[in-house]
Amino acid sequence: EVQLVESGGGLVKPGGSLRLSCAASGFTFSNCNMNWVRQAPGKGLEWVSFIDNSSTTIYYADSVKGRFTISRDNAKNSLYLHINGLRGEDTAVYYCTSSIPIRPLSQHYWGQGTLVTVSS
Amino acid sequence: DIQMTQSPSSLSASVGDTVTITCQASQDINNYLNWYQQKRGKAPKLLIYDASNLETGVPSRFSGSGSGTDFTFTISSLQPEDIATYYCQQYDNGRYTFGQGTKLEIK
Repeated sequence: EVQLVESGGGLVKPGGSLRLSCAASGFTFSNCNMNWVRQAPGKGLEWVSFIDNSSTTIYYADSVKGRFTISRDNAKNSLYLHINGLRGEDTAVYYCTSSIPIRPLSQHYWGQGTLVTVSS
Repeated sequence: DIQMTQSPSSLSASVGDTVTITCQASQDINNYLNWYQQKRGKAPKLLIYDASNLETGVPSRFSGSGSGTDFTFTISSLQPEDIATYYCQQYDNGRYTFGQGTKLEIK
């Protein structure tokens, strides 16, 4: 069974930093592209960042560029999101998503999300 | 950046009705469009990929069509369990944009 389990969320002060993790199981992680997508409370979905299976290609949404860093460790079947300079507008549930090999740009599987709250 | 305009933002319909949601892209996206269902408190679920392909296990009452800039998502014979918010999403070579979402309620 495919599982994506996010962790690392919590309450952080403005300007603070955080590292989110996503543990993948049930599929060949190293064959799949990964993304982070976030959802502010009561709002819609916002794509945050993309990383291909070999970490060669990385993209960010303009709203997070320069503050967020996506990375992965294929040996540990894990995806990460390092967040610096947190702002109130970064408050959201953060989901990790994975593609499937036959559809490398899909966001086929989703985790249940981890909540990041930015507040003083 | 490609913008997606989804409408309506909310919709109320009766069980058995046919429901239609539209999504318009700010430029030609070929058929690179997905539709997701998100139930309250849950992660989104992929229903339709590449504009018109039904994901495995998704009931056939869900369908999608369109290409280029204009896309349609349809639920035929609406069921109570279809209460959710629906999102379109374009994918442009590793960059993605979601529509604003359509909240579907049952009358």
